[in-house]
Amino acid sequence: GQNIDQPTEMTATEGAIVQINCTYQTSGFNGLFWYQQHAGEAPTFLSYNVLDGLEEKGRFSSFLSRSKGYSYLLLKELQMKDSASYLCAVPSGGSYIPTFGRGTSLIVHP
Amino acid sequence: GAVVSQHPSWVICKSGTSVKIECRSLDFQATTMFWYRQFPKQSLMLMATSNEGSKATYEQGVEKDKFLINHASLTLSTLTVTSAHPEDSSFYICSAPGVPGEAFFGQGTRLTVV
Repeated sequence: GQNIDQPTEMTATEGAIVQINCTYQTSGFNGLFWYQQHAGEAPTFLSYNVLDGLEEKGRFSSFLSRSKGYSYLLLKELQMKDSASYLCAVPSGGSYIPTFGRGTSLIVHP
Repeated sequence: GAVVSQHPSWVICKSGTSVKIECRSLDFQATTMFWYRQFPKQSLMLMATSNEGSKATYEQGVEKDKFLINHASLTLSTLTVTSAHPEDSSFYICSAPGVPGEAFFGQGTRLTVV
């Protein structure tokens, strides 16, 4: 099975940078997802990392270290609309079905 | 990108009644659909996997007789919550797998049982 751990809540200031960490344990690794979810809405796909390293996509970047079972999502130039829950998800071994962590609730304030 | 349309967006029903939630893949064929449930401030929990033309696979602890899943065509999967009770009130969401590493989610259904 999987064990996914990420902070419950984080706060940051508009315009700043925030890093959301995720550690995981899984039997078999098929990549790691990050999703953004606003309250009452469906998750939105942000990134998928299967190889070690940093992948940058505009203001959002995602990092993976398979040997450490660790990933982070980096959000730059924070905007108020970035206030949301950020979900780290790891598929179970041998499948691509995402198993989600509890999510990190990010609050961006002026 | 691929679109999954989920209806209804929200529903209020009386205790003891049944509610059907539909998920349609609009521009692709979905042989598999995942059904999740999310309680407030909790994670998305996989309930079951539906497969077109065969029986759904339920996760441990999910009552298959209570949560009926049908995947009758390549574009439609349905979840019926039978004899709903207040504790079934939750956010239900479906997703279809795309290429490895991506999932296409429906808009979600907020179910409130009164």
